[in-house]
Amino acid sequence: GAVVSQHPSRVICKSGTSVKIECRSLDFQATTMFWYRQFPKQSLMLMATSNEGSKATYEQGVEKDKFLINHASLTLSTLTVTSAHPEDSSFYICSAKANSNLNYGYTFGSGTRLTVV
Amino acid sequence: GEDVEQSLFLSVREGDSSVINCTYTDSSSTYLYWYKQEPGAGLQLLTYIFSNMDMKQDQRLTVLLNKKDKHLSLRIADTQTGDSAIYFCAESMNDYKLSFGAGTTVTVRA
Repeated sequence: GAVVSQHPSRVICKSGTSVKIECRSLDFQATTMFWYRQFPKQSLMLMATSNEGSKATYEQGVEKDKFLINHASLTLSTLTVTSAHPEDSSFYICSAKANSNLNYGYTFGSGTRLTVV
Repeated sequence: GEDVEQSLFLSVREGDSSVINCTYTDSSSTYLYWYKQEPGAGLQLLTYIFSNMDMKQDQRLTVLLNKKDKHLSLRIADTQTGDSAIYFCAESMNDYKLSFGAGTTVTVRA
């Protein structure tokens, strides 16, 4: 149980275009999902907390107009990187917490490798 | 995560035990976690411990928590080549946001 599916796993896009990354909880409901960014050989940096039915909460220094988050249902959150630039190239990971069972802890998606050329 | 610190590298011989250490600063942490990340993959929850526990064992994994010193460790018994990965220590308060350490890269040598 507690599986999080993240797609795509890898994407290459041109500068100036937008890219959408999906994060789905497959067998549980998640009112809260989290989006992280990971640079090579570094830890995960929390970008924002995605709340179902309300606006996302962004961490300091993260541009909300650049990284659009939508959490329209209890099983889906999306992160859209708008007007992507090469410096946005990174590994993006989502996570979700099952609401009712603490034994699940936080479950992570498999990550999305974004390369902007 | 400046609030969570880990040593960056650990090299261990196959069959030996690995011990990964972590220190945290927030005494109000309620849950502490160990995650494993293999190259190009997401994070896999290995184990977690509540702050009111001292020790938790799950097969080859043993977690020790010293709340007074704010020190957490993960011991992997009989380390195998498949255990080579990056291990992240993380803390959460009131079961909300996670703060991660920088990760410990464990290399298992034959």
